[in-house]
Amino acid sequence: NAGVMQNPRHLVRRRGQEARLRCSPMKGHSHVYWYRQLPEEGLKFMVYLQKENIIDESGMPKERFSAEFPKEGPSILRIQQVVRGDSAAYFCASSDNSGQGKNEQFFGPGTRLTVL
Amino acid sequence: GQNIDQPTEMTATEGAIVQINCTYQTSGFNGLFWYQQHAGEAPTFLSYNVLDGLEEKGRFSSFLSRSKGYSYLLLKELQMKDSASYLCAVRARGSTLGRLYFGRGTQLTVWP
Repeated sequence: NAGVMQNPRHLVRRRGQEARLRCSPMKGHSHVYWYRQLPEEGLKFMVYLQKENIIDESGMPKERFSAEFPKEGPSILRIQQVVRGDSAAYFCASSDNSGQGKNEQFFGPGTRLTVL
Repeated sequence: GQNIDQPTEMTATEGAIVQINCTYQTSGFNGLFWYQQHAGEAPTFLSYNVLDGLEEKGRFSSFLSRSKGYSYLLLKELQMKDSASYLCAVRARGSTLGRLYFGRGTQLTVWP
């Protein structure tokens, strides 16, 4: 039973390039969350999606960042025109809605983005 | 805004018991989670509390007091492999789904 999968694990981009981060949720999970973690800081929420819908994007910068979770395929977090401050670990998490309230989020291994 | 506080660092010796505290101030409450994160790895789920009281799961227990906005994670019979960062997270909204607010994490070092 595969867990949450993210690729690539490491991504290096030069300033001004685009970064695309992919996340495949656990089997049976239809809720996907993206978080960003800077060194020595906690996980910061970015966006919450269900299939074909953005539910909450209140943590995502309005410019340069976008996210999608299409009907088929992985969820994508896209960062355009990257800057050095975008360097961080980006974690994807998924959950189901079991109806029992816990609905814990299971995290992927993360993508470590380095902007040169 | 939402505020989750926990100590930055703690140390303990192998075989001992350690308690990691977490206080929170959030608009709404719908569950508190503890995660363990080893350096360079993904956070892994440890425990969940939504009602007041103690939840026990093997060597790990978690306590919640909603009136005090307070939780703790208790680790017994510490092992070297327990050296990790422990993250307290609160789900603030009324839905049982939705974003988590994380504290900065408590870095626990277990000495032999």
